[in-house]
Amino acid sequence: KAGVTQTPRYLIKTRGQQVTLSCSPISGHRSVSWYQQTPGQGLQFLFEYFSETQRNKGNFPGRFSGRQFSNSRSEMNVSTLELGDSALYLCASSSTGGGTDTQYFGPGTRLTVL
Amino acid sequence: QKEVEQDPGPLSVPEGAIVSLNCTYSNSAFQYFMWYRQYSRKGPELLMYTYSSGNKEDGRFTAQVDKSSKYISLFIRDSQPSDSATYLCAMSEGYTGGFKTIFGAGTRLFVKA
Repeated sequence: KAGVTQTPRYLIKTRGQQVTLSCSPISGHRSVSWYQQTPGQGLQFLFEYFSETQRNKGNFPGRFSGRQFSNSRSEMNVSTLELGDSALYLCASSSTGGGTDTQYFGPGTRLTVL
Repeated sequence: QKEVEQDPGPLSVPEGAIVSLNCTYSNSAFQYFMWYRQYSRKGPELLMYTYSSGNKEDGRFTAQVDKSSKYISLFIRDSQPSDSATYLCAMSEGYTGGFKTIFGAGTRLFVKA
């Protein structure tokens, strides 16, 4: 079974631009979560989508948004990029996102904002 | 103060050593305690999880949870160079999924051959 894939793997943008990241979950998984990982803050939860609906949201500004498609693929968008948005953005999928479901992480997209 | 505290290391040990990785936390409502391993340029992968207090063993790995002290540990026996990675503890109130899962900062481990 193929794992979680994320594209692109690396991205360089400048302040003020916007960016869209993509995540393809494991086949059959309906829950997709997004995380931001930085050396200072560690792994922080952004939001979770289940069956095309945002089910949960972390404490990030409205510049961070996402969506999920009917095939469970998900995209994350960051508008008006700031230097502090430089981070590794990780996507994780699980079957239902609840109970003792295991989350499977993708390799991440490394975003650098100049 | 962060909800979950984890020493970022780095921790360097010789091959074959017993490694002890630890996290402390402040939220007494946490019920699920997880350990993830993250290799360079990869996403985290779940090693094991424990529900409530107690020990759990899986091969060379043992996870311990002491809820009275709000302290969790991961022990790696007979450490191998392939164990060199960042280890993240994580915990949540309701389940092992993403929402409201709080991660530690991660400890970088180097096992020298």
